[in-house]
Amino acid sequence: QVQLAESGGGVVQPGRSLRLSCTVSGFSLNTYGMHWVRQSPGKGLEWVAVMSPDGTASYYADPVKGRFTISRDSSKNRIYLQMHSLTAADTSVYYCARDRHYDDNGSTVIDFWGQGTLVSVSS
Amino acid sequence: DIQMTQSPSTLSVSVGDRVTITCRASQSISNWVAWYQQKPGKAPKLLIYKASSLESGVPSRFSGSGSGTEFTLTISSLQPDDYATYYCQQYNNYLITFGQGTRLEI
Repeated sequence: QVQLAESGGGVVQPGRSLRLSCTVSGFSLNTYGMHWVRQSPGKGLEWVAVMSPDGTASYYADPVKGRFTISRDSSKNRIYLQMHSLTAADTSVYYCARDRHYDDNGSTVIDFWGQGTLVSVSS
Repeated sequence: DIQMTQSPSTLSVSVGDRVTITCRASQSISNWVAWYQQKPGKAPKLLIYKASSLESGVPSRFSGSGSGTEFTLTISSLQPDDYATYYCQQYNNYLITFGQGTRLEI
């Protein structure tokens, strides 16, 4: 069955970097677009980034553009979120999530989510 | 970027109530809207896609409607398991956005 499992969260100082990983099973990363979505404590969902199934295209939300990079290693069934210049505003639970029908028209709906990993940016 | 304005932010409801949640898009997005349910400490769950299509396994008391810029999620008769936070999401292009969420409370 489809499963997604994030790792790599933790406490990090402002200005530092962190890399999150998401290991998937039950499907191929070559077939589905993959998102990162975050949620600050007690707040709503905020989309962060998406990568196309062929790995050639990625898009970012304005608050993270230029600081975060989504990537993948299909051989390891993993996607990553490299985060730089972290601030307190980046403190969130980060979810990796599968896009059901990502194609040339764009992203679609998210049909599977991981359990999330908490990133706390604090000195 | 397309903004999704969701209302209300909180709704006081009772079992058996008919519940309506609204999302308004900042520009026309045809019917490219989904709705999710999220319970505390859990990942969201897809309920509705393409504005009005019910996801497999979701109870029929959930329904969605709308097109263009106005969208609605309706729960016909609220059940105890439905106490949660609900989010709309637009997917008109590569960048997706969520509404701010509507929390149902007793």
